[in-house]
Amino acid sequence: DTAVSQTPKYLVTQMGNDKSIKCEQNLGHDTMYWYKQDSKKFLKIMFSYNNKELIINETVPNRFSPKSPDKAHLNLHINSLELGDSAVYFCASSPTGGHSYEQYFGPGTRLTVT
Amino acid sequence: EDKVVQSPLSLVVHEGDTVTLNCSYEVTNFRSLLWYKQEKKAPTFLFMLTSSGIEKKSGRLSSILDKKELFSILNITATQTGDSAVYLCAVPIYNQGGKLIFGQGTELSVKP
Repeated sequence: DTAVSQTPKYLVTQMGNDKSIKCEQNLGHDTMYWYKQDSKKFLKIMFSYNNKELIINETVPNRFSPKSPDKAHLNLHINSLELGDSAVYFCASSPTGGHSYEQYFGPGTRLTVT
Repeated sequence: EDKVVQSPLSLVVHEGDTVTLNCSYEVTNFRSLLWYKQEKKAPTFLFMLTSSGIEKKSGRLSSILDKKELFSILNITATQTGDSAVYLCAVPIYNQGGKLIFGQGTELSVKP
């Protein structure tokens, strides 16, 4: 059983296109995240949702729009793709409350914009 | 600004060597520090440290936190080729939804 899953695993597309990445977790967690990992392997938070509510938006361009239809799903839609959007995008989830901030990561989606 | 810095950025050792990876942080409202191992895919959780001076151990890996000096170390003894990975240190920002601030990572390569 996969705890955090993402689709697709690879995405190759041209500049200007619009694409979506989907994420699902079956851990019963309340909080989900999107991270971007650049070519230098640096992981940076983009968004966080708690129970379908946006709680973190880290100065990401408006072309990126997350959507959470329910607390087990967090999707990322990207409009007008640019070369600089090429990266690996990771979805993660964590339980809320208490002092536990361990986050479980999905396998990543490698996006290549040509 | 909250910051996490890891050193070294890369390390090449031979099987059987012992390595120490470093992570320093400057974070307001510090509560915990996490270590992850990233091979080809997703980061996988290793340790969460909340108390200063208490070592967490799992097999050949161990980690300790020093809240006074604001750093943590990850030790790997008797390294194996399977330990080759990027090791990531992260600190959750408690009052900002638990978002993780990551260091740059240490890329460890263990040669046979």
